[in-house]
Amino acid sequence: EAGVAQSPRYKIIEKRQSVAFWCNPISGHATLYWYQQILGQGPKLLIQFQNNGVVDDSQLPKDRFSAERLKGVDSTLKIQPAKLEDSAVYLCASSERTSGRNNEQFFGPGTRLTVL
Amino acid sequence: AQSVTQPDIHITVSEGASLELRCNYSYGATPYLFWYVQSPGQGLQLLLKYFSGDTLVQGIKGFEAEFKRSQSSFNLRKPSVHWSDAAEYFCAVDPQGAQKLVFGQGTRLTINP
Repeated sequence: EAGVAQSPRYKIIEKRQSVAFWCNPISGHATLYWYQQILGQGPKLLIQFQNNGVVDDSQLPKDRFSAERLKGVDSTLKIQPAKLEDSAVYLCASSERTSGRNNEQFFGPGTRLTVL
Repeated sequence: AQSVTQPDIHITVSEGASLELRCNYSYGATPYLFWYVQSPGQGLQLLLKYFSGDTLVQGIKGFEAEFKRSQSSFNLRKPSVHWSDAAEYFCAVDPQGAQKLVFGQGTRLTINP
């Protein structure tokens, strides 16, 4: 079974530029998550999708971050314009559904963003 | 404030030695509890989870964790570590069972040969 795919794996940009990350979840998984992991910290949930609808985006900095999952499958996370403090690893995860005890989240390898 | 605390940022143990990684949480009710491992350049992998019932849970790769309600702790243990266990370990909680994970800051494990 293929895992969660993310691209690119690495990205270096200058501040005020824009950047986009792509995630393809495990086939059939209805729920998709984007996390931000700053160096030395644990991942922080940015946004959670159920199919193509947003379940929770309370921690997404909406003035510069946006995310979409138009067809309920793959997803794109965008930052525009980027700031130095956005340097982090952006992790995508997917799960079969939104809740339930046996609902495990599977994580992709992440995209490491460096903002100069 | 609600939080997940991993008191040890970095731990070094010798190969073959026992291991215990600490995790404390601060939530009103007992949340769902998880331990994840992250190897360099790789995504997070679930080691084990606790929802209810038996307070000692077994996971993959020989790991186990014990839930102690009185101490609000969920410590991860392994009787004998292998060099391949070197990685970053994260404790996480799901306060409401809605798959909104809150992670601790992580503990980096180094194994001495």
